[in-house]
Amino acid sequence: QSVLTQPPSVSGAPGQRVTISCTGSSSNIGAGYDVHWYQQLPGTAPKLLIYVNTNRPSGVPDRFSGSASGASASLAITGLQAEDEADYYCQSYDSSLSGSIFGGGTKLTVL
Amino acid sequence: EVQLVQSGAEVKKPGESLKISCKGSGYSFTSYWLGWVRQMPGKGLEWMGIIYPGDSDIRYSPSFQGQVTISADKSISTAYLQWSSLKASDTAMYYCARSLGGVIAQFDYWGQGTLVTVSS
Repeated sequence: QSVLTQPPSVSGAPGQRVTISCTGSSSNIGAGYDVHWYQQLPGTAPKLLIYVNTNRPSGVPDRFSGSASGASASLAITGLQAEDEADYYCQSYDSSLSGSIFGGGTKLTVL
Repeated sequence: EVQLVQSGAEVKKPGESLKISCKGSGYSFTSYWLGWVRQMPGKGLEWMGIIYPGDSDIRYSPSFQGQVTISADKSISTAYLQWSSLKASDTAMYYCARSLGGVIAQFDYWGQGTLVTVSS
């Protein structure tokens, strides 16, 4: 059971918009620590998708966006494409653990 | 071009020791943190710990403290993850990843992963 809670799965049809939530607590996201998001395509290493809550690294399409409020964060994907089918993970720092933590991951299925 | 190249897959028996490596290139190795992330078969990512090769500052996740040892040799731009006595439950893919800001920051580049299989 992860300290950061994500839905195990989400799905959407091509072209639709989906969101993935990441719920934390007062010792991590709620304390103001930044949230980062990663995409892991099947059989590959994770790739940085969003950093410091809302920022996209160079090369990441603007279909991907992040937000954070209170003790939660969200990743939104618009204009869903088949190639977006992957596992998505949030990451933040937890002061009670004195270390970084990942959410449990969310599997995105493009219908 | 930033690259993190990890050592190859390993098959070990319970009780054996192991040291896997991650070689960085294309950037100043001593100016970035290098972290390790575990992914057990079919499971999610777990943050294990991180090292700053510049001064060998190391931070461990409480879950992995005492179970593994993280080190680095800055003379050859290589970080290591080692076990003194492997268990079957150590079977997993292990990734190294680079971070500018240490424990609170994102991992911007990742290695390809090293698959460790522990079986009698």
